[in-house]
Amino acid sequence: RKEVEQDPGPFNVPEGATVAFNCTYSNSASQSFFWYRQDCRKEPKLLMSVYSSGNEDGRFTAQLNRASQYISLLIRDSKLSDSATYLCVVNSEGGTASKLTFGTGTRLQVTL
Amino acid sequence: DGGITQSPKYLFRKEGQNVTLSCEQNLNHDAMYWYRQDPGQGLRLIYYSQIVNDFQKGDIAEGYSVSREKKESFPLTVTSAQKNPTAFYLCASSIERAFSGANVLTFGAGSRLTVL
Repeated sequence: RKEVEQDPGPFNVPEGATVAFNCTYSNSASQSFFWYRQDCRKEPKLLMSVYSSGNEDGRFTAQLNRASQYISLLIRDSKLSDSATYLCVVNSEGGTASKLTFGTGTRLQVTL
Repeated sequence: DGGITQSPKYLFRKEGQNVTLSCEQNLNHDAMYWYRQDPGQGLRLIYYSQIVNDFQKGDIAEGYSVSREKKESFPLTVTSAQKNPTAFYLCASSIERAFSGANVLTFGAGSRLTVL
């Protein structure tokens, strides 16, 4: 099982739709979770951190489910500009060193 | 504006040649990292440095070398020993030295290396 797994998509949704992505992680000792956005052939940029209580930033909502070991990203009222790949990033701490593990990304295509 | 500058943006190399990718940051961040991204795979850590004159191997360090002589600079050399060097290379930095919970990465724009 991969440490961090994401559905690669693509998710093709019309403008204005609500779309949700999940990301599962295998290390129960994982402490911190992030969503990054990556546009085609560009660098990843932090979209939002994911807090235990869940958090919202405008149209974006991130949630963490520790019992089932997954995080989710909900995008409401999708815009054309939301088209990108969304990377799930997990910080697994413990042992000799902690590290960040990146998922392969979920591609979102928002259409007219 | 503060940020991370990577150069060159595109690089073509013949097999058997070493190439060095530049990464400079003016964010005053302690930690710097090199990742490699291949299609269908997550970013993989090559090397990281938490402080000047010190660096650690990541998950896929074979065939690569780095130096950290200045806080601002963390160049990556892709040597001829790297069997599959064609990839998108991303440099990143973070204000904290450790991979702690608040350790957010800032990435450079990347260098795309193609071996002919």
